[in-house]
Amino acid sequence: NAGVTQTPKFRVLKTGQSMTLLCAQDMNHEYMYWYRQDPGMGLRLIHYSVGEGTTAKGEVPDGYNVSRLKKQNFLLGLESAAPSQTSVYFCASSWVAGGPDEQFFGPGTRLTVL
Amino acid sequence: AQKVTQAQTEISVVEKEDVTLDCVYETRDTTYYLFWYKQPPSGELVFLIRRNSFDEQNEISGRYSWNFQKSTSSFNFTITASQVVDSAVYFCALSPLIQGAQKLVFGQGTRLTINP
Repeated sequence: NAGVTQTPKFRVLKTGQSMTLLCAQDMNHEYMYWYRQDPGMGLRLIHYSVGEGTTAKGEVPDGYNVSRLKKQNFLLGLESAAPSQTSVYFCASSWVAGGPDEQFFGPGTRLTVL
Repeated sequence: AQKVTQAQTEISVVEKEDVTLDCVYETRDTTYYLFWYKQPPSGELVFLIRRNSFDEQNEISGRYSWNFQKSTSSFNFTITASQVVDSAVYFCALSPLIQGAQKLVFGQGTRLTINP
């Protein structure tokens, strides 16, 4: 099993450009999450999904959109990138059966917006 | 609102020393889960432990131990006889006890450096 994978690993964008980050999991997990990690701030939840076809806002959703068309994939989109979106992005997934379970994290995507 | 505070930004010790990482949390929920994750230099986050608010028993796993004290809202992590491979950023996190998506609230992280 590959677990949680993220594509791409690194990306440099210019202000105003758009891009999509792809997250894929092969553990048949229902729940998927996108976080951003900034120095000194830990990880913050951007958006999450409780199942195929569903999405919901997290703590810092502005400037991002997501889609979960297939259970195994969770896409994070930046329509018009800004320098404030320079960060490391992590995708995670979990399967909850009766209570919070551990989240499995991908390796991260380092995004720089110039 | 929920909040997790890891006041120690960086800790540096010599190998074989014991080290404790502090975690203090705030929540109005009576039931919740607490987590510790490790982020080694390679970047991925690795799950270490989950604890629910009903269970205040301390836990030991090899050189790792966790001290949960509800009275002081703390969930501290101790590494005994530290090793260079323990060098990493460690995150404490909090989640409400609900079925469904788990909206983790992370602390700022503590960067631990173990020097040979």
